[in-house]
Amino acid sequence: LAKTTQPISMDSYEGQEVNITCSHNNIATNDYITWYQQFPSQGPRFIIQGYKTKVTNEVASLFIPADRKSSTLSLPRVSLSDTAVYYCLVGSTDSWGKLQFGAGTQVVVTP
Amino acid sequence: NAGVTQTPKFRVLKTGQSMTLLCAQDMNHEYMYWYRQDPGMGLRLIHYSVGEGTTAKGEVPDGYNVSRLKKQNFLLGLESAAPSQTSVYFCASRKHGDDQPQHFGDGTRLSIL
Repeated sequence: LAKTTQPISMDSYEGQEVNITCSHNNIATNDYITWYQQFPSQGPRFIIQGYKTKVTNEVASLFIPADRKSSTLSLPRVSLSDTAVYYCLVGSTDSWGKLQFGAGTQVVVTP
Repeated sequence: NAGVTQTPKFRVLKTGQSMTLLCAQDMNHEYMYWYRQDPGMGLRLIHYSVGEGTTAKGEVPDGYNVSRLKKQNFLLGLESAAPSQTSVYFCASRKHGDDQPQHFGDGTRLSIL
């Protein structure tokens, strides 16, 4: 399983765009990049997943450069309810779906 | 649609006691996982199962046992609880397929005195 590195914490104000960059230098050819969000006292919740280029859904965008050694989660116009820990994970298609969680990025949104 | 349900939500045990945590999913997922999360850390995989009747060790399996007798249930057992097993335990399930995400329950908070 590829190791990921992401910032420990980020602060933002309501209405701003938050970009969290994750590095995964040892990503394998068949690996997907997945981001989860976790609120206190809850389990992680799937946000977005991608393999290459850009993926967008109703809550976030995921940018993956051509070399795939990093990825950036973009949260547009954050609100107070986006305060959470965000995890970047790289999943191997050969690993039965196993994920290796790091410490994640604590995002704090203030008014 | 309940998703992934964990039972109980909270429990306090004494050292040496045993207990079983239950995870139930109603999404007909093939894969199921048990994690533990300690303060300030990410989740660590304890055991996982890729189908009914099959289990495998994860990153931190010592002191735990699991069983998957039915597809929808994944049980995590502590035979002789130790204070080091005080943690929040999360169960997850996932559909078969390379790009399928894991769906998590809301955790069981376990304290061992």
